[in-house]
Amino acid sequence: RKEVEQDPGPFNVPEGATVAFNCTYSNSASQSFFWYRQDCRKEPKLLMSVYSSGNEDGRFTAQLNRASQYISLLIRDSKLSDSATYLCVVNPWGSNYKLTFGKGTLLTVNP
Amino acid sequence: EAGVTQFPSHSVIEKGQTVTLRCDPISGHDNLYWYRRVMGKEIKFLLHFVKESKQDESGMPNNRFLAERTGGTYSTLKVQPAELEDSGVYFCASSQGAGKAFFGQGTRLTVV
Repeated sequence: RKEVEQDPGPFNVPEGATVAFNCTYSNSASQSFFWYRQDCRKEPKLLMSVYSSGNEDGRFTAQLNRASQYISLLIRDSKLSDSATYLCVVNPWGSNYKLTFGKGTLLTVNP
Repeated sequence: EAGVTQFPSHSVIEKGQTVTLRCDPISGHDNLYWYRRVMGKEIKFLLHFVKESKQDESGMPNNRFLAERTGGTYSTLKVQPAELEDSGVYFCASSQGAGKAFFGQGTRLTVV
């Protein structure tokens, strides 16, 4: 079983749609959880950290369920500029050390 | 402020040759990480430096890979001799303490 598994995608949605990404992780000792965004041929960039209580940043909402070892990312009112690969990332050490990445889910938002 | 910079951006070498990748972290960042993405796979951790010391090199594939960070500033990752399966994108990242890690744009290595 992979350490971090994500929806394989790709997702193609129209502008304004709501899209949800799901992710599960196998290491129950994981302490930190993140969503990264990677544009084509660019570096991964931190989109948001994920907290147990859930957190929101504008149109983006992240949820964590430790019991189920499940993480989600919801994007509301999607924009063309949201088109990218979304990477689910976990870390057992509570820091940015030794991040474990999922394969990523490609999102294309269409006009 | 300059971000993490990597050189070269692309490298095409023949099997058996040597290649050296360079990473300049953000100034003042003690932590430096190397990651690699092989085509079709997820990004995987290679190793972690704190200043000039290797803290964890558990992700290094084999002894053909050598990473150094002399003086605790920039780092190099040498592959010698390169094999076909070494092809991929090599990312460097840096962070200050347990803070957010910033990634460089990567070096795309193709071994032919």
